[in-house]
Amino acid sequence: QVQLQESGPGLVKPSETLSLTCTVSDDSISRYYWSWIRQPPGKGLEWIGYIYYKGSTIYNPSLRSRVTISVDTSKNQFSLKLSSVTAADTAIYYCARTPAGPPYNYMDVWGKGTTVTVSS
Amino acid sequence: QSVLTQPPSVSAAPGQKVTISCSGSTSNIGNNYVSWYQQLPGTAPKLLISQNNRRPSGIPDRFSGSKSGTSATLDITGLQTGDEADYYCGTWDSSLGGVFGTGTKVTVL
Repeated sequence: QVQLQESGPGLVKPSETLSLTCTVSDDSISRYYWSWIRQPPGKGLEWIGYIYYKGSTIYNPSLRSRVTISVDTSKNQFSLKLSSVTAADTAIYYCARTPAGPPYNYMDVWGKGTTVTVSS
Repeated sequence: QSVLTQPPSVSAAPGQKVTISCSGSTSNIGNNYVSWYQQLPGTAPKLLISQNNRRPSGIPDRFSGSKSGTSATLDITGLQTGDEADYYCGTWDSSLGGVFGTGTKVTVL
């Protein structure tokens, strides 16, 4: 059964770049779309963006200037980079499999999430 | 501030039914499919409904979804204590990309 696992630093300093990787197991990343979603403490879900396995991306307009999502099909991984972070970027970050883009855009398999705190 | 509005909370006794609404616009729900997610305390969200009304394998038929115009609804029948969770709707928005609802906390009385 397909599994997703986020990895990366749990603490990032303000103004630096947050970098996370999602490793996909028991499924090929060379299908589907792959998404990043985050959830600030005590708040709701926020869609960050997704990447198609061929490399095309779509980002949340509010984060577009700071976000880069990339894919490494040889490692069955995709990654998130968020630059110039502030305390407002503190959240649980989830990666998820997205079987189809719009008009569907649902996430059918989620990672367990990783907590990232932005603090000096 | 999400473009999809849900009631903050709903509640009912065990065995009863709850309905969660998700209100949007023609930019999102009106022209795209809706999905629903259950988030139990301290865990990652889980897909309950995709494409307005399709249940993934393993999701009980107590959970059902529907869509009409620019609104969607999730019904939970035969409510159980294990259903206590936060529920989110999701869809695509023509300007914003992926969007989620504000979330609804379900309490079993």
